[in-house]
Amino acid sequence: DAMVIQNPRYQVTQFGKPVTLSCSQTLNHNVMYWYQQKSSQAPKLLFHYYDKDFNNEADTPDNFQSRRPNTSFCFLDIRSPGLGDAAMYLCATRRQGVETQYFGPGTRLLVL
Amino acid sequence: GENVEQHPSTLSVQEGDSAVIKCTYSDSASNYFPWYKQELGKRPQLIIDIRSNVGEKKDQRIAVTLNKTAKHFSLHITETQPEDSAVYFCAFNNAGNMLTFGGGTRLMVKP
Repeated sequence: DAMVIQNPRYQVTQFGKPVTLSCSQTLNHNVMYWYQQKSSQAPKLLFHYYDKDFNNEADTPDNFQSRRPNTSFCFLDIRSPGLGDAAMYLCATRRQGVETQYFGPGTRLLVL
Repeated sequence: GENVEQHPSTLSVQEGDSAVIKCTYSDSASNYFPWYKQELGKRPQLIIDIRSNVGEKKDQRIAVTLNKTAKHFSLHITETQPEDSAVYFCAFNNAGNMLTFGGGTRLMVKP
């Protein structure tokens, strides 16, 4: 009964090699979020979507981009990963008008 | 910008004791205050939330209290068990319903 699914769960990439992380949801929620979480820190918001309306946080690096082709799927693209981009990447969703966010299991990214 | 302070950063209790974690927030317009539990390597899971029209909410061993005047809210866990060991994050929303998270509290329950 997985509701927010993230693939892969673990991703290893090389320094500078583009990588894409994916998120899908079965909840039909129109709001989706991407967070970056480094060890022992709080989740940090990177982007969010209201339907297809994309919103970038002011301090999200240009190296990070996102796509949302439909309600169910959302992608995080890291164009040229650096060592500092190694982190857990969390996707979350909510229904507009309801505050509760539901998190996916996350993708742990390792940059070699 | 919005800010939330969470204390303590680590908390060690004996099994069966109570644990209290406190958060102070800055945005007076906030009206939604969730608490998330995150076990090592897993997703943050919502354990309880409270809205600004109530001062306290309880769910079995977990309770949250909210003082809107003082802008702080607290998580109370009674009769702690080893499986309560995790990192707990408080959060609050802004006008756009974005969540700002506290820095987290690592709770260790010793058997």
